[in-house]
Amino acid sequence: SQQGEEDPQALSIQEGENATMNCSYKTSINNLQWYRQNSGRGLVHLILIRSNEREKHSGRLRVTLDTSKKSSSLLITASRAADTASYFCATAGSGNTGKLIFGQGTTLQVKP
Amino acid sequence: EAQVTQNPRYLITVTGKKLTVTCSQNMNHEYMSWYRQDPGLGLRQIYYSMNVEVTDKGDVPEGYKVSRKEKRNFPLILESPSPNQTSLYFCASSRTSGTSYEQYFGPGTRLTVT
Repeated sequence: SQQGEEDPQALSIQEGENATMNCSYKTSINNLQWYRQNSGRGLVHLILIRSNEREKHSGRLRVTLDTSKKSSSLLITASRAADTASYFCATAGSGNTGKLIFGQGTTLQVKP
Repeated sequence: EAQVTQNPRYLITVTGKKLTVTCSQNMNHEYMSWYRQDPGLGLRQIYYSMNVEVTDKGDVPEGYKVSRKEKRNFPLILESPSPNQTSLYFCASSRTSGTSYEQYFGPGTRLTVT
C-alpha cells in the first residue's frame, strides 16, 4: 500500500481562498516532500521538510510535519487559478534506493 | 537551463515491438530513476541508478530494462511491450542517491501499447 495518503482527494475553492491538503504516512521517515503536477505533465518539487523540522515556508506555501502523528499538511495561501494542479506528498522508502513513495494526490481546482 | 528531457513524449506501438524511451539530464546528477504513473496506483518506481554502471530494480521492474553507460543518460527499454505497460512514464534525477535532495522530473512519456 502507499506510504503517503493525501486527503482530500479533490478540493475546489475560489481564487484568493486558502487550500489545505493533508498527508499521512505509515513508517518513520528522514524527510517528506511535496510535489505539484499540472495535468499530464512532469512533477515539480515544491518543498522538502526534514524529520526534525516542524514547519517550513516557501512563498505562499506552508508545510507542517507531525512525526508523532505521521502526518503533514500543505497550506497554499491566497490561491490563484494557476495553482490548479494535483499535489503529492512523497516519503523516502527504506534503504538508500532514493525511491520516493508517492501518495495518490489531491486534485486542487482554483476557480477564478 | 537545468532540466530532464525525455523522448519521445508520446508513443503508440504494438505488442512485441521493442522500444526505447530516452532520458537525459544536464545537471551532473548521480542518481536517476524511472517511474510509471497509472490511475488509482499513483507513481511507482521501475528502476533506479545510483551512478554510472550501477542500476537496480524498483517496485515494478518486470518487462523493463535500463542501462547507465554515461552519467547524463538513462534509457528505459521495453524489449517486448505488452498492453499492461500502457502508462505515463517519468524519468527523474537527483544530486545523489538517497532522498535528502529533491528529484527533478522529466515532462513524461505517454506510451500506448495496442
